[in-house]
Amino acid sequence: NAGVTQTPKFQVLKTGQSMTLQCAQDMNHNSMYWYRQDPGMGLRLIYYSASEGTTDKGEVPNGYNVSRLNKREFSLRLESAAPSQTSVYFCASSTDQPKRNFGPGTRLTVL
Amino acid sequence: GQSLEQPSEVTAVEGAIVQINCTYQTSGFYGLSWYQQHDGGAPTFLSYNALDGLEETGRFSSFLSRSDSYGYLLLQELQMKDSASYFCAVRESGNTPLVFGKGTRLSVIA
Repeated sequence: NAGVTQTPKFQVLKTGQSMTLQCAQDMNHNSMYWYRQDPGMGLRLIYYSASEGTTDKGEVPNGYNVSRLNKREFSLRLESAAPSQTSVYFCASSTDQPKRNFGPGTRLTVL
Repeated sequence: GQSLEQPSEVTAVEGAIVQINCTYQTSGFYGLSWYQQHDGGAPTFLSYNALDGLEETGRFSSFLSRSDSYGYLLLQELQMKDSASYFCAVRESGNTPLVFGKGTRLSVIA
């Protein structure tokens, strides 16, 4: 099993550009999450999906949209990137248990 | 709202024992989790406490006191590879997502 995979690993954008971060899991987990991690700020939840077909806002959803394409895939879209969105983005998945399985992360820089 | 407090940095000597504390304030409580993250890596799950007491997994143990809204992660026989950031995380209910603390950076020195 690959676990949770994310693409791309690295990305540089210019202010105003758009992009989609992809995430997929092969563990048949119902729930999927997008977090961002900034120095000294820990992991902050952007959006989550408790099951296929549902999405909910987390702590910092502004500037982002998500799509739960199917049970395996959960994408995060930045419609108009801003320098404040420079961060490391982690996707995670879980069953209804507390353990989260994290992907390797996407390092995004917005110039 | 929810808040979690943990020390930002801890330094300990190889072979020693270190304790990383976490205090939380939540309207509900559905368990305390701990995650480890090495520089450049992804967080990995270490432990979970739903009830008061100590949970042991090898060199790592985690403790919870719900009455004190407090928990800690105990690392024994420290090794250099234990140098990493450690995050506590709580859920308010079974239907709400985890909220993470800001993390404690552990440095293990020779």
